[in-house]
Amino acid sequence: NAGVTQTPKFQVLKTGQSMTLQCAQDMNHNSMYWYRQDPGMGLRLIYYSASEGTTDKGEVPNGYNVSRLNKREFSLRLESAAPSQTSVYFCASSEGVPGQVEAFFGQGTRLTVV
Amino acid sequence: GQQVMQIPQYQHVQEGEDFTTYCNSSTTLSNIQWYKQRPGGHPVFLIQLVKSGEVKKQKRLTFQFGEAKKNSSLHITATQTTDVGTYFCAGRSSGTYKYIFGTGTRLKVLA
Repeated sequence: NAGVTQTPKFQVLKTGQSMTLQCAQDMNHNSMYWYRQDPGMGLRLIYYSASEGTTDKGEVPNGYNVSRLNKREFSLRLESAAPSQTSVYFCASSEGVPGQVEAFFGQGTRLTVV
Repeated sequence: GQQVMQIPQYQHVQEGEDFTTYCNSSTTLSNIQWYKQRPGGHPVFLIQLVKSGEVKKQKRLTFQFGEAKKNSSLHITATQTTDVGTYFCAGRSSGTYKYIFGTGTRLKVLA
């Protein structure tokens, strides 16, 4: 049972490059999220999707775009990477109304922008 | 906007000592969740509290939700080295779909 799978696990980008972080869940969850984690800042919500076909901004959406491709997949795109986007990115999913039930996290993507 | 703060940010304890982390929200929460993240790992769900004044226990861990549903605490009795990690609370404001994580408390247990 895979749960939430993120790819890649590690990535180094040069400033200005673009990339897409992939996330897929096999638990048939409606809600999916992208968080970034920086030292001393906890987890900050970038974007979330309460159901297939809907997305909404979280606390720190600037510099990111998302696509809820289908119920399973929720991708995060950096169009022009900046050093300030160096972080650990976590994708998560939950069943039903966001925050009312347990969220399951992927293993994370460690991104460095140089 | 909604803010969720945790104190302390860091805590070092001797093995066997107790530990408490506090979570405070700027808005009333419909529920609160607690997660644990081991070093280098990802957050893992521990528990959810929904009712005002609710107290739940999991072995040595005691979780409490405040009467006003704006704060919560996690208490660990007689810490062990396996308790090492960062503990996060996460709350959802009533009437919204967003839920926000607290800043986390990093616990180190010295053997």
